[in-house]
Amino acid sequence: AQSVTQLGSHVSVSEGALVLLRCNYSSSVPPYLFWYVQYPNQGLQLLLKYTSAATLVKGINGFEAEFKKSETSFHLTKPSAHMSDAAEYFCAVSVRGGSNYKLTFGKGTLLTVNP
Amino acid sequence: NADVMQNPRHLVRRRGQEARLRCSPMKGHSHVYWYRQLPEEGLKFMVYLQKENIIDESGMPKERFSAEFPKEGPSILRIQQVVRGDSAAYFCASSPRLGLAGDPSYNEQFFGPGTRLTVL
Repeated sequence: AQSVTQLGSHVSVSEGALVLLRCNYSSSVPPYLFWYVQYPNQGLQLLLKYTSAATLVKGINGFEAEFKKSETSFHLTKPSAHMSDAAEYFCAVSVRGGSNYKLTFGKGTLLTVNP
Repeated sequence: NADVMQNPRHLVRRRGQEARLRCSPMKGHSHVYWYRQLPEEGLKFMVYLQKENIIDESGMPKERFSAEFPKEGPSILRIQQVVRGDSAAYFCASSPRLGLAGDPSYNEQFFGPGTRLTVL
């Protein structure tokens, strides 16, 4: 079984500052990893995904994440926060094979951006 | 993603009543997934359906919960005799097709805005 731990349920940054949202996973087989963002009253939107190609993955809105197998991590970063980045962010994992549709999510990190 | 429609957005039920949650997938999508988010928890997979077929219901509670995706119309998640512990946000997602085994490139799941169920 796989699991995801997101460190910090709430992260607050200043506009223009670095955004770092942490995600560690546990999986007995090589994983697929995802970051989703949820704006208020909206559904989850895929930011980026790791599927075993490049370990540094670039996503939408200037976000990127790096897969580090030795650290079992998939942290999300953005060099400069914008007010519009304020949202809840979810890290998710799935496994290779026939059940790759079954996403397992972390509890989420609420990002606040201060002016 | 606004193109996956869920209704109602908010649902209040008293203990013992039935809750019916609807999900209309994106146009052209034939795969539907339901997830539940309990307070302070991440989303948990419940069930995966294709038209007229339940493919994987391993995350569904054994009693009181059922799901369907008929040939015509939305997917329905039905909860009978609701209890307070059923209070949660229920999210539906859809995808156009399932990728090849070992490759999720084509099965990106598009999520709806969720239904917030409150059981009094």
